[in-house]
Amino acid sequence: DARVTQTPRHKVTEMGQEVTMRCQPILGHNTVFWYRQTMMQGLELLAYFRNRAPLDDSGMPKDRFSAEMPDATLATLKIQPSEPRDSAVYFCASGWGTGNSHEQYFGPGTRLTVT
Amino acid sequence: SQKIEQNSEALNIQEGKTATLTCNYTNYSPAYLQWYRQDPGRGPVFLLLIRENEKEKRKERLKVTFDTTLKQSLFHITASQPADSATYLCALDPGTGGYNKLIFGAGTRLAVHP
Repeated sequence: DARVTQTPRHKVTEMGQEVTMRCQPILGHNTVFWYRQTMMQGLELLAYFRNRAPLDDSGMPKDRFSAEMPDATLATLKIQPSEPRDSAVYFCASGWGTGNSHEQYFGPGTRLTVT
Repeated sequence: SQKIEQNSEALNIQEGKTATLTCNYTNYSPAYLQWYRQDPGRGPVFLLLIRENEKEKRKERLKVTFDTTLKQSLFHITASQPADSATYLCALDPGTGGYNKLIFGAGTRLAVHP
């Protein structure tokens, strides 16, 4: 069955290193979201795209985070340079974004640890 | 300020009973509200959506109510089972119309004991 995939599932890196997380949305979905989840802050929206165009990235620290959709089957989230406070689980989600379909389908997440 | 509040304490109930989870919000006018289930180590899974003009929505053993006057949604699981144990998140559209981002509550952890 169709599902959102994310790679890597786990990433441990040292402070200052670049981190790239990848997401393959469900085929046919035109809206892709990036979230971050921590115990303290819960699930926070970082950025989202519709038809590959960025719609809102107000939740993302602009100086170190960047999100792109090079094509309809790939979304990326980069952190450069990474910091210990970036340690969290990063989720990608996708949806249809049309008509009455508002639900989002989440991937399994990338657990990032920055030491 | 805008807030979504869910019971931060875990809800412990006996198998077979009805679990009721609460989601309260302030300073939003959502066109719809959604409930998701999240199991440890996994992403949230969509359960139900209820619109501002709907009072109640049902799906199998699940029931959601939406009171825009009280600014509250209740999520009920009837005949609860240990397999229902998970964290349940409410999420709302900030109310600007169209297909928008969701704002999530912190979630309530439900534990159903045999």
